Amino acid sequence: DGGITQSPKYLFRKEGQNVTLSCEQNLNHDAMYWYRQDPGQGLRLIYYSQIVNDFQKGDIAEGYSVSREKKESFPLTVTSAQKNPTAFYLCASSEWGSQETQYFGPGTRLLVL
Amino acid sequence: RKEVEQDPGPFNVPEGATVAFNCTYSNSASQSFFWYRQDCRKEPKLLMSVYSSGNEDGRFTAQLNRASQYISLLIRDSKLSDSATYLCVVYNQGGKLIFGQGTELSVKP
Repeated sequence: DGGITQSPKYLFRKEGQNVTLSCEQNLNHDAMYWYRQDPGQGLRLIYYSQIVNDFQKGDIAEGYSVSREKKESFPLTVTSAQKNPTAFYLCASSEWGSQETQYFGPGTRLLVL
Repeated sequence: RKEVEQDPGPFNVPEGATVAFNCTYSNSASQSFFWYRQDCRKEPKLLMSVYSSGNEDGRFTAQLNRASQYISLLIRDSKLSDSATYLCVVYNQGGKLIFGQGTELSVKP
C-alpha cells in the first residue's frame, strides 16, 4: 500500500529535551510538509521541502528543524527552543507541480511532561 | 484578520437535517479551494474541491463566490457518520495550503 507513515503516534517530551518525529512516504512524491495543529485551530505550516537536500521555513519554523536527506523521509526535530510544543503534528506530501493536492499521514501527538 | 475564516461551531443537528457551513478568504489571488473532513484525532482528508460553477457529490454541495471571496458547503440529509470537523482550505499563489480553524459538526439521533 502506498502512503505516508508517521511515528510514533504519541510522544512525550521532557523540559529541555529535543525530540524527533518521523515521516516516511512511499508515494514517490517530491514535496513534503510539516504542519502543526492546536486544539480548535487549523493547520499551520512549519517547514516544507520541494526536493531532496532543500527545505524552506513555513509560517512557524522557530524552535523546529528538519532534514531531507532522502526523497522518502522528512524528519522533524522539536528543539528545546520550542517553548510550547504540545500539539498534533501532521506530515504531508505532494507531487511536484501539484502542491495543492497533499496527502496526509496519521499524525503524531506530542505532549510535554 | 485570518486569511481563512470559518463559521464558529459547534453545529449540533438532528439526523436528516440540512446544514450549511460558510467560509471567507482574504487573498483575492487565491487559486484553488477545498473542503477537508477531519475526524477526532485523525488526519484531514479531502472531501471535495470547490469550483465557481458549484459542484455536488451525493449529499454534499460546494459553492465558490470569487467576487465575495466566499465558500460554502451544504450537507443534506445529515447522517451520524457526518459528525466531524470540516476544514475550509485555500491554495494561494505562494504555493501553500491555508487552513481555516474548522467547524465542528455533531449529528444526533
